[in-house]
Amino acid sequence: AQSVTQPDIHITVSEGASLELRCNYSYGATPYLFWYVQSPGQGLQLLLKYFSGDTLVQGIKGFEAEFKRSQSSFNLRKPSVHWSDAAEYFCAVGGKGGGNKLTFGTGTQLKVEL
Amino acid sequence: DAMVIQNPRYQVTQFGKPVTLSCSQTLNHNVMYWYQQKSSQAPKLLFHYYDKDFNNEADTPDNFQSRRPNTSFCFLDIRSPGLGDAAMYLCATSRDGREGEETQYFGPGTRLLVL
Repeated sequence: AQSVTQPDIHITVSEGASLELRCNYSYGATPYLFWYVQSPGQGLQLLLKYFSGDTLVQGIKGFEAEFKRSQSSFNLRKPSVHWSDAAEYFCAVGGKGGGNKLTFGTGTQLKVEL
Repeated sequence: DAMVIQNPRYQVTQFGKPVTLSCSQTLNHNVMYWYQQKSSQAPKLLFHYYDKDFNNEADTPDNFQSRRPNTSFCFLDIRSPGLGDAAMYLCATSRDGREGEETQYFGPGTRLLVL
């Protein structure tokens, strides 16, 4: 069965500081990995995705993520956080073995201090 | 702009009173999904349509039904809402769905309150 772990429920960073949100996955086949962001009361917006190829992927809003197969990780990073980045971030895994199904982590709530 | 639209954004219903949530898409995607997201939890897939083929998740309660009359529209019917069904309901679409190498695009969600 596929699963995603986001070990940090809440993270607080100062504006302008760097950010790393952790994501570990379990998947029996080649994983497809996603990061979504959700602002309060809103739907999910795709930040970036990894299907194959270069393990460092760039996304919107200055975010990037690195796929590390040996560590089963897909951590999200941003070099300098803006106050508008405060939101909840979800990592998700899918893939050929699971058909259409995405499995989400429980999310990391990001707070940005001014 | 091509998008996923959900109506209404907020829905209040009474305990046991049937309610229908609506989703439409202008992306012409083949697959449509319904997720339930309770407060501070991950979205949980309820079911999805691959074209007209309905795929129910094993743990989705019978109280939840869905209809997809055409490519653009999909409805979530809750036959007898309970207090535990209060949640955000998210609709998503993906282009094809057969190979898994796809992105799901989400609507803004409908927040359901059960009184």
